[in-house]
Amino acid sequence: ILNVEQSPQSLHVQEGDSTNFTCSFPSSNFYALHWYRWETAKSPEALFVMTLNGDEKKKGRISATLNTKEGYSYLYIKGSQPEDSATYLCARGGTSYGKLTFGQGTILTVHP
Amino acid sequence: KAGVTQTPRYLIKTRGQQVTLSCSPISGHRSVSWYQQTPGQGLQFLFEYFSETQRNKGNFPGRFSGRQFSNSRSEMNVSTLELGDSALYLCASSFGLAAYNEQFFGPGTRLTVL
Repeated sequence: ILNVEQSPQSLHVQEGDSTNFTCSFPSSNFYALHWYRWETAKSPEALFVMTLNGDEKKKGRISATLNTKEGYSYLYIKGSQPEDSATYLCARGGTSYGKLTFGQGTILTVHP
Repeated sequence: KAGVTQTPRYLIKTRGQQVTLSCSPISGHRSVSWYQQTPGQGLQFLFEYFSETQRNKGNFPGRFSGRQFSNSRSEMNVSTLELGDSALYLCASSFGLAAYNEQFFGPGTRLTVL
């Protein structure tokens, strides 16, 4: 993996469904992995910043895990709601400190 | 606590002109990063400033430059505008270096180059 890659590109789910996305990144020279939520007409909002292998973070119905050795992170949303509809971005911080490399994002649409 | 502010919010310029965008970070934040968002592209890192020093620069031509002032406010300048510079420009601030700290984004400046 040379760049930060996210899958799937887009996802349509029904209200109440649980869902998850993947962020894959280069495992070498890893410093931190960020998750952001970007709603239409708003600014990206930080969800989590994770630094250690095995890190798990939770905020309400949203949680994330991190595997730095194999270079991936999962974001889970339990019981999706229409207000969860947004683009979810992950970003990797590497050795060039200060530089975050973003993935293309996963567009989530939750249908009532 | 006031959020990150960016001015102007919208800007229309013609090719060859130059433009300056401004970003005021959250009080106490010392890092300001700039990003470009174009259709079909993710957020592309432009540069980060920390304590008035440019810490890192993305893969953009020298027409893109920036600076940070002693109060942490930052400006970004694009000279000799090209059509491809049309984009949403976002700045983000963080307490420490961006790689390790959650970033707080401003509303962005939408630049249109005609």
